Amino acid sequence: DVKVTQSSRYLVKRTGEKVFLECVQDMDHENMFWYRQDPGLGLRLIYFSYDVKMKEKGDIPEGYSVSREKKERFSLILESASTNQTSMYLCASSSPGTGAYEQYFGPGTRLTVT
Amino acid sequence: DAKTTQPTSMDCAEGRAANLPCNHSTISGNEYVYWYRQIHSQGPQYIIHGLKNNETNEMASLIITEDRKSSTLILPHATLRDTAVYYCIVSGSGANNLFFGTGTRLTVIP
Repeated sequence: DVKVTQSSRYLVKRTGEKVFLECVQDMDHENMFWYRQDPGLGLRLIYFSYDVKMKEKGDIPEGYSVSREKKERFSLILESASTNQTSMYLCASSSPGTGAYEQYFGPGTRLTVT
Repeated sequence: DAKTTQPTSMDCAEGRAANLPCNHSTISGNEYVYWYRQIHSQGPQYIIHGLKNNETNEMASLIITEDRKSSTLILPHATLRDTAVYYCIVSGSGANNLFFGTGTRLTVIP
Protein backbone atom coordinates (compact mmCIF):
# COMPACT_ATOMS: atom_id res chain seq x y z
CA ASP A 1 0.00 0.00 0.00
CA VAL A 2 1.20 3.47 -0.93
CA LYS A 3 2.50 5.42 2.01
CA VAL A 4 3.67 8.93 2.78
CA THR A 5 4.53 9.60 6.40
CA GLN A 6 5.28 12.83 8.20
CA SER A 7 7.34 13.04 11.36
CA SER A 8 4.75 14.69 13.56
CA ARG A 9 0.99 15.23 13.51
CA TYR A 10 1.16 18.19 15.88
CA LEU A 11 4.06 20.50 16.67
CA VAL A 12 4.34 23.61 18.83
CA LYS A 13 7.38 25.86 18.42
CA ARG A 14 8.42 29.29 19.59
CA THR A 15 9.05 32.31 17.41
CA GLY A 16 12.62 32.33 16.13
CA GLU A 17 13.18 28.58 16.50
CA LYS A 18 14.50 26.53 13.62
CA VAL A 19 11.93 23.91 12.68
CA PHE A 20 12.38 20.71 10.69
CA LEU A 21 9.44 18.88 9.16
CA GLU A 22 10.27 15.46 7.78
CA CYS A 23 8.50 13.50 5.08
CA VAL A 24 9.22 9.95 3.94
CA GLN A 25 7.64 8.01 1.09
CA ASP A 26 8.02 4.32 0.35
CA MET A 27 6.92 4.32 -3.28
CA ASP A 28 10.26 5.13 -4.92
CA HIS A 29 8.72 8.32 -6.30
CA GLU A 30 10.94 10.89 -7.95
CA ASN A 31 8.78 13.91 -7.14
CA MET A 32 8.08 15.23 -3.68
CA PHE A 33 6.18 18.33 -2.58
CA TRP A 34 5.54 20.51 0.42
CA TYR A 35 2.27 22.44 0.72
CA ARG A 36 0.72 24.51 3.43
CA GLN A 37 -3.01 24.69 3.99
CA ASP A 38 -4.81 27.62 5.58
CA PRO A 39 -8.54 28.25 5.99
CA GLY A 40 -10.03 29.96 2.96
CA LEU A 41 -6.79 29.72 0.98
CA GLY A 42 -6.73 26.05 0.02
CA LEU A 43 -3.38 24.32 -0.46
CA ARG A 44 -0.41 26.38 -1.57
CA LEU A 45 2.81 24.90 -2.89
CA ILE A 46 5.96 25.87 -0.99
CA TYR A 47 8.67 23.80 -2.68
CA PHE A 48 8.97 20.67 -4.72
CA SER A 49 11.76 18.36 -5.73
CA TYR A 50 11.97 16.19 -8.82
CA ASP A 51 15.17 14.38 -7.92
CA VAL A 52 17.68 13.94 -5.14
CA LYS A 53 19.41 17.22 -4.33
CA MET A 54 17.13 19.08 -6.76
CA LYS A 55 14.54 21.61 -5.64
CA GLU A 56 12.22 24.14 -7.18
CA LYS A 57 10.37 27.03 -5.57
CA GLY A 58 6.64 26.86 -5.47
CA ASP A 59 4.21 29.71 -5.00
CA ILE A 60 5.18 30.73 -1.46
CA PRO A 61 8.83 29.77 -0.74
CA GLU A 62 9.70 32.80 1.41
CA GLY A 63 10.77 31.85 4.91
CA TYR A 64 11.28 28.19 3.99
CA SER A 65 14.02 25.98 2.66
CA VAL A 66 14.11 22.29 1.78
CA SER A 67 16.52 19.41 1.69
CA ARG A 68 16.46 16.20 -0.33
CA GLU A 69 19.53 14.08 0.36
CA LYS A 70 17.80 10.76 -0.26
CA LYS A 71 15.10 9.85 -2.74
CA GLU A 72 12.61 8.80 -0.10
CA ARG A 73 13.02 11.78 2.23
CA PHE A 74 12.11 15.45 1.77
CA SER A 75 12.56 17.91 4.60
CA LEU A 76 11.00 21.32 5.03
CA ILE A 77 12.96 23.79 7.13
CA LEU A 78 11.69 26.94 8.76
CA GLU A 79 14.90 28.85 9.41
CA SER A 80 13.36 31.17 11.99
CA ALA A 81 9.77 30.32 12.73
CA SER A 82 7.24 33.14 12.83
CA THR A 83 3.64 33.22 13.94
CA ASN A 84 2.42 33.61 10.34
CA GLN A 85 3.86 30.18 9.62
CA THR A 86 1.29 28.58 11.90
CA SER A 87 -0.45 26.26 9.49
CA MET A 88 -1.14 22.70 8.37
CA TYR A 89 1.81 21.37 6.36
CA LEU A 90 1.23 18.60 3.86
CA CYS A 91 3.81 16.52 2.07
CA ALA A 92 3.09 14.65 -1.15
CA SER A 93 4.91 12.48 -3.66
CA SER A 94 4.34 11.38 -7.22
CA SER A 95 6.00 9.56 -10.03
CA PRO A 96 6.55 11.51 -13.23
CA GLY A 97 4.83 9.98 -16.19
CA THR A 98 4.20 10.88 -19.75
CA GLY A 99 0.65 11.84 -18.99
CA ALA A 100 -1.44 12.56 -15.96
CA TYR A 101 -0.44 11.31 -12.59
CA GLU A 102 -1.66 11.58 -9.06
CA GLN A 103 0.00 12.91 -5.94
CA TYR A 104 -0.10 10.89 -2.74
CA PHE A 105 -0.34 12.90 0.44
CA GLY A 106 0.78 12.35 3.98
CA PRO A 107 -1.51 12.96 6.97
CA GLY A 108 -0.19 16.47 7.59
CA THR A 109 1.62 18.27 10.41
CA ARG A 110 -0.27 20.96 12.26
CA LEU A 111 2.37 23.48 13.32
CA THR A 112 1.67 26.19 15.85
CA VAL A 113 4.24 28.93 16.34
CA THR A 114 3.78 30.93 19.53
CA ASP B 1 -2.93 26.21 -15.45
CA ALA B 2 -6.64 26.81 -15.93
CA LYS B 3 -8.67 27.94 -12.95
CA THR B 4 -11.71 26.10 -11.71
CA THR B 5 -14.95 27.21 -10.13
CA GLN B 6 -16.82 24.99 -7.68
CA PRO B 7 -19.77 25.57 -5.36
CA THR B 8 -18.68 26.24 -1.82
CA SER B 9 -20.86 23.55 -0.27
CA MET B 10 -23.40 20.86 -1.07
CA ASP B 11 -25.54 18.38 0.83
CA CYS B 12 -26.47 14.89 -0.28
CA ALA B 13 -28.71 12.26 1.30
CA GLU B 14 -27.03 9.03 2.27
CA GLY B 15 -27.43 6.37 -0.42
CA ARG B 16 -28.16 8.89 -3.14
CA ALA B 17 -25.81 9.93 -5.92
CA ALA B 18 -23.70 12.98 -5.19
CA ASN B 19 -23.05 15.12 -8.26
CA LEU B 20 -20.31 17.67 -7.80
CA PRO B 21 -19.93 20.23 -10.60
CA CYS B 22 -16.83 22.07 -11.71
CA ASN B 23 -16.37 24.80 -14.30
CA HIS B 24 -13.07 25.13 -16.10
CA SER B 25 -13.90 27.28 -19.10
CA THR B 26 -10.27 28.25 -19.83
CA ILE B 27 -8.97 24.69 -19.97
CA SER B 28 -6.50 24.06 -22.76
CA GLY B 29 -6.19 21.01 -24.94
CA ASN B 30 -3.46 19.20 -23.05
CA GLU B 31 -4.80 19.83 -19.55
CA TYR B 32 -6.30 17.07 -17.45
CA VAL B 33 -9.13 17.33 -14.95
CA TYR B 34 -8.26 15.82 -11.56
CA TRP B 35 -10.44 15.29 -8.54
CA TYR B 36 -9.17 14.93 -5.01
CA ARG B 37 -10.94 14.91 -1.69
CA GLN B 38 -9.88 15.74 1.83
CA ILE B 39 -11.56 14.21 4.80
CA HIS B 40 -11.27 16.21 8.00
CA SER B 41 -7.78 16.11 9.56
CA GLN B 42 -6.33 13.99 6.76
CA GLY B 43 -4.24 14.73 3.68
CA PRO B 44 -5.96 14.99 0.28
CA GLN B 45 -6.76 11.73 -1.47
CA TYR B 46 -6.70 11.24 -5.22
CA ILE B 47 -10.05 10.15 -6.68
CA ILE B 48 -9.98 10.20 -10.47
CA HIS B 49 -8.74 12.10 -13.49
CA GLY B 50 -9.69 12.49 -17.15
CA LEU B 51 -8.74 14.26 -20.34
CA LYS B 52 -11.61 14.05 -22.81
CA ASN B 53 -13.54 10.87 -22.19
CA ASN B 54 -15.71 10.00 -19.24
CA GLU B 55 -13.93 7.90 -16.66
CA THR B 56 -15.03 5.49 -13.95
CA ASN B 57 -13.18 3.72 -11.18
CA GLU B 58 -14.11 2.03 -7.93
CA MET B 59 -14.59 5.36 -6.18
CA ALA B 60 -16.38 7.59 -8.64
CA SER B 61 -17.28 8.56 -12.18
CA LEU B 62 -16.08 11.65 -14.01
CA ILE B 63 -18.21 13.19 -16.72
CA ILE B 64 -16.48 15.79 -18.91
CA THR B 65 -18.56 17.86 -21.31
CA GLU B 66 -17.74 17.68 -24.98
CA ASP B 67 -16.31 21.20 -25.02
CA ARG B 68 -14.31 20.31 -21.87
CA LYS B 69 -15.38 23.51 -20.15
CA SER B 70 -17.01 21.75 -17.26
CA SER B 71 -17.13 18.40 -15.54
CA THR B 72 -19.07 16.53 -12.88
CA LEU B 73 -17.80 14.10 -10.30
CA ILE B 74 -20.37 11.48 -9.41
CA LEU B 75 -20.31 9.42 -6.23
CA PRO B 76 -23.00 6.86 -7.11
CA HIS B 77 -24.14 5.91 -3.60
CA ALA B 78 -22.91 8.46 -1.09
CA THR B 79 -22.09 7.28 2.42
CA LEU B 80 -21.39 9.25 5.58
CA ARG B 81 -17.69 8.56 5.03
CA ASP B 82 -17.84 10.55 1.80
CA THR B 83 -18.32 13.76 3.79
CA ALA B 84 -15.24 15.77 2.78
CA VAL B 85 -13.97 18.73 0.79
CA TYR B 86 -13.74 17.85 -2.90
CA TYR B 87 -11.21 19.62 -5.11
CA CYS B 88 -11.43 19.92 -8.88
CA ILE B 89 -8.04 20.69 -10.42
CA VAL B 90 -6.99 21.33 -13.98
CA SER B 91 -3.36 20.81 -14.83
CA GLY B 92 -1.16 20.05 -17.77
CA SER B 93 0.50 16.77 -18.55
CA GLY B 94 3.49 16.16 -16.34
CA ALA B 95 2.88 19.35 -14.40
CA ASN B 96 4.33 19.35 -10.95
CA ASN B 97 2.10 21.94 -9.40
CA LEU B 98 -1.51 21.00 -8.79
CA PHE B 99 -3.36 24.13 -7.75
CA PHE B 100 -5.83 23.28 -5.02
CA GLY B 101 -8.49 25.93 -4.61
CA THR B 102 -11.00 25.93 -1.80
CA GLY B 103 -13.11 23.08 -3.18
CA THR B 104 -16.67 21.99 -2.41
CA ARG B 105 -17.57 20.88 1.07
CA LEU B 106 -19.87 17.88 0.63
CA THR B 107 -21.96 16.85 3.61
CA VAL B 108 -23.70 13.49 3.41
CA ILE B 109 -26.81 13.53 5.56
CA PRO B 110 -28.20 10.39 7.21
